[in-house]
Amino acid sequence: QVQLVESGGGVVQPGRSLRLSCAASGFTFSNYGMHWVRQAPGKGLEWVAVIWPDGSKEYYTESVKGRFTISRDNSKNTVSLQMNSLSAEDTAVYYCARHAHDRDWDHWGQGTLVTVSS
Amino acid sequence: QSALTQPPSVSAAPGQKVTISCSGSSSNIGNTYVSWYQQLPGTAPRLLMYDTNKRPSGIPDRFSGSKSGTSATLGITGLQTGDEADYYCGTWDNSLSVGVFGGGTKLTVL
Repeated sequence: QVQLVESGGGVVQPGRSLRLSCAASGFTFSNYGMHWVRQAPGKGLEWVAVIWPDGSKEYYTESVKGRFTISRDNSKNTVSLQMNSLSAEDTAVYYCARHAHDRDWDHWGQGTLVTVSS
Repeated sequence: QSALTQPPSVSAAPGQKVTISCSGSSSNIGNTYVSWYQQLPGTAPRLLMYDTNKRPSGIPDRFSGSKSGTSATLGITGLQTGDEADYYCGTWDNSLSVGVFGGGTKLTVL
């Protein structure tokens, strides 16, 4: 069965960096676009970034452009999110999710919590 | 503020029917399919409906989806206490390659 397992969350000071990873299994990883979606405490879902199946294209929500970088390693079935210049507004649970049907997210990981605080 | 607008909360009694609306514009809902996600307390979201009205395997037919113009609706019949959750609508803009979610609706089964 499809499994997505995030890791790398934790507490980080404002202005610092953090790298999240998502390990995928149970499907042909290189056939699917992969996303990061976040959820601030008590808030709704916010789409963050997507990377194409072959890694050729990446897109980001406006608030993270220039600070976050999504990448993938199809040989290791992993997708990552490098987050730089973090601020309190980036505090959230970060989910990786699989792109499906060309227009939705059909499988989600359990999420990893990122807390930006001094 | 999200580009997709949902009511913050809805409620109904067990066994009853409830609908959750998702209002957008011609640049999102009016131009593409809508998906819906259920997030039970303390868990990750799960896909409930895709392509506006298609249910993934394992989702009961008590859940239905529809769209009219720039608004979409999720319907749930035969409400159960286990349906208490947050529900989100979402769209994917293929031309801009960006995703958008509604603000979420908390369903309470009284």
